[in-house]
Amino acid sequence: DVKVTQSSRYLVKRTGEKVFLECVQDMDHENMFWYRQDPGLGLRLIYFSYDVKMKEKGDIPEGYSVSREKKERFSLILESASTNQTSMYLCASSLPIRYPRRWGYTFGSGTRLTVV
Amino acid sequence: AQKVTQAQTEISVVEKEDVTLDCVYETRDTTYYLFWYKQPPSGELVFLIRRNSFDEQNEISGRYSWNFQKSTSSFNFTITASQVVDSAVYFCALIQSYNTDKLIFGTGTRLQVFP
Repeated sequence: DVKVTQSSRYLVKRTGEKVFLECVQDMDHENMFWYRQDPGLGLRLIYFSYDVKMKEKGDIPEGYSVSREKKERFSLILESASTNQTSMYLCASSLPIRYPRRWGYTFGSGTRLTVV
Repeated sequence: AQKVTQAQTEISVVEKEDVTLDCVYETRDTTYYLFWYKQPPSGELVFLIRRNSFDEQNEISGRYSWNFQKSTSSFNFTITASQVVDSAVYFCALIQSYNTDKLIFGTGTRLQVFP
């Protein structure tokens, strides 16, 4: 069963801490994504990566960074956590759109992060 | 600019009622894909359907059906004879083909089905 695994389901961190959210996929997908989900705002793209060591900013990258050292792993880093980063974080992976028959996002179960 | 609008924030129905979730999109591209995802209380997004811009045929899958109309830039989702298990947040999403692999999501519609 192919899947995207996020390391933590729930996480509580203190303001100012450095936070790592880990995501691993076993589908050999080139693309990986980090989204943030907030009530009334839907899913907003933070960062995405289309290859190892490659990354691009999404719509709301401020306060975040990412790392992709291996194809299967995509990490989201909160350099100094703040209370406005309390949210649900969703990781996803996909093949490139040039494979339309097989194209689609697979999402992880999400990490609910609370910053206190 | 691309945009997906789900004007219905929350819908409540009683079991066995039919319900339609609206989705309106904006894009300048002539080739694009539209999607619906379901997010049950467990949190994981579940893929429901993908439709490309060249295929305007409506689709039916069991109790689910989708109405794609390019003339009104809409891709509406209907659940027939709703069940309690249909309670979830439903997201409509858009991708512009070939120059990006990024999905743009609407804000979601929370559907509550009461017994």
